[in-house]
Amino acid sequence: IAGITQAPTSQILAAGRRMTLRCTQDMRHNAMYWYRQDLGLGLRLIHYSNTAGTTGKGEVPDGYSVSRANTDDFPLTLASAVPSQTSVYFCASSRSGGNTGELFFGEGSRLTVL
Amino acid sequence: AQKVTQAQTEISVVEKEDVTLDCVYETRDTTYYLFWYKQPPSGELVFLIRRNSFDEQNEISGRYSWNFQKSTSSFNFTITASQVVDSAVYFCALSEAHTGGFKTIFGAGTRLFVKA
Repeated sequence: IAGITQAPTSQILAAGRRMTLRCTQDMRHNAMYWYRQDLGLGLRLIHYSNTAGTTGKGEVPDGYSVSRANTDDFPLTLASAVPSQTSVYFCASSRSGGNTGELFFGEGSRLTVL
Repeated sequence: AQKVTQAQTEISVVEKEDVTLDCVYETRDTTYYLFWYKQPPSGELVFLIRRNSFDEQNEISGRYSWNFQKSTSSFNFTITASQVVDSAVYFCALSEAHTGGFKTIFGAGTRLFVKA
């Protein structure tokens, strides 16, 4: 049982570089999300997608972009990484586009921008 | 606007004590959902409970109980007879409707230390 797979698990990146965090789910969930977790700030929503082909902005979307070409994949791209984007990134999905159910999370991707 | 406030940053208790984690939320919607998640030291996020805005009945699951009060916009979580394994960060979350679906936002979390 895979659930949600995130890659890479950990990455150190030079400022100014482009980076894509990958997220794949095998549960056929309609909705997918990207959160970042920072000490004292909890989990903050970056972008979300309620169904394939649609995306929306969350609480902290600046500096990030997403795409949802199909149901299973929801990559998060940092076009030009900055040190403030150092964080742990969690991808999540939920069973329905209405998101009335629980979120299923990946194991996280720890990103360090130097 | 959506907002979730967990005013307690850290709580430390001794094993077997009861502990309550507070959660206060803000929303303009009449239909919304509230959640609690647990993040143990291993880092994964574990779903604990979901409540919809039309169901204010309190819930008990083993040593865990939840008190939902719309009048005070609170959804508090109590652990009875705490155990060391309860040590974790606990997040309260609010999901409400936006164009095209729902969005879930989280509070800052409460870190619970349970000492033996």
